[in-house]
Amino acid sequence: SQQGEEDPQALSIQEGENATMNCSYKTSINNLQWYRQNSGRGLVHLILIRSNEREKHSGRLRVTLDTSKKSSSLLITASRAADTASYFCATYGGGADGLTFGKGTHLIIQP
Amino acid sequence: GAGVSQSPSNKVTEKGKDVELRCDPISGHTALYWYRQRLGQGLEFLIYFQGNSAPDKSGLPSDRFSAERTGESVSTLTIQRTQQEDSAVYLCASSQGTGSHYGYTFGSGTRLTVV
Repeated sequence: SQQGEEDPQALSIQEGENATMNCSYKTSINNLQWYRQNSGRGLVHLILIRSNEREKHSGRLRVTLDTSKKSSSLLITASRAADTASYFCATYGGGADGLTFGKGTHLIIQP
Repeated sequence: GAGVSQSPSNKVTEKGKDVELRCDPISGHTALYWYRQRLGQGLEFLIYFQGNSAPDKSGLPSDRFSAERTGESVSTLTIQRTQQEDSAVYLCASSQGTGSHYGYTFGSGTRLTVV
């Protein structure tokens, strides 16, 4: 079953603008991770935020986590055409089946 | 190796034939995962290995699916008597362990088309 649900399903913005994607989940988690998938390729791990963290930065990426609302957001600042991809959140609840992925947000950066 | 390697990258097979998909994880990664991704969808968990044991096989869609792993290295996912609904990208990932600290490294996937 899929735990994370990304919102919006698709997002199109102009190059240079900021892109914000949201993820909601249902059960308690150990950590939440964000991945990027370029068309036809495997997923690339972007960032991991633990359940006791509220915000984390990595380069142009900023991730927030609100465990009381069971939600996370991924912000990409100063977007570039190369950021065009699908972005997935994945949650780890400590169980035997590893990460559970959402359906993703397809981000298009218009040059 | 430097990354997770999957082969073949593409496979077209006739309905009813068996297929075998291969995954070479990063050396030293004890955990290995198989996921299925249908077109435009998220990732569906199939099975994971810790070493060469598979504690949880409940994600396998049917008894036509099986997987094995040799030691802490290569894994194969076998689909018997393929059906058209098996068409998808099959992704393999590995990580240093199954604990909460580790991100996954994914291969580029095998795109399976059943005709």
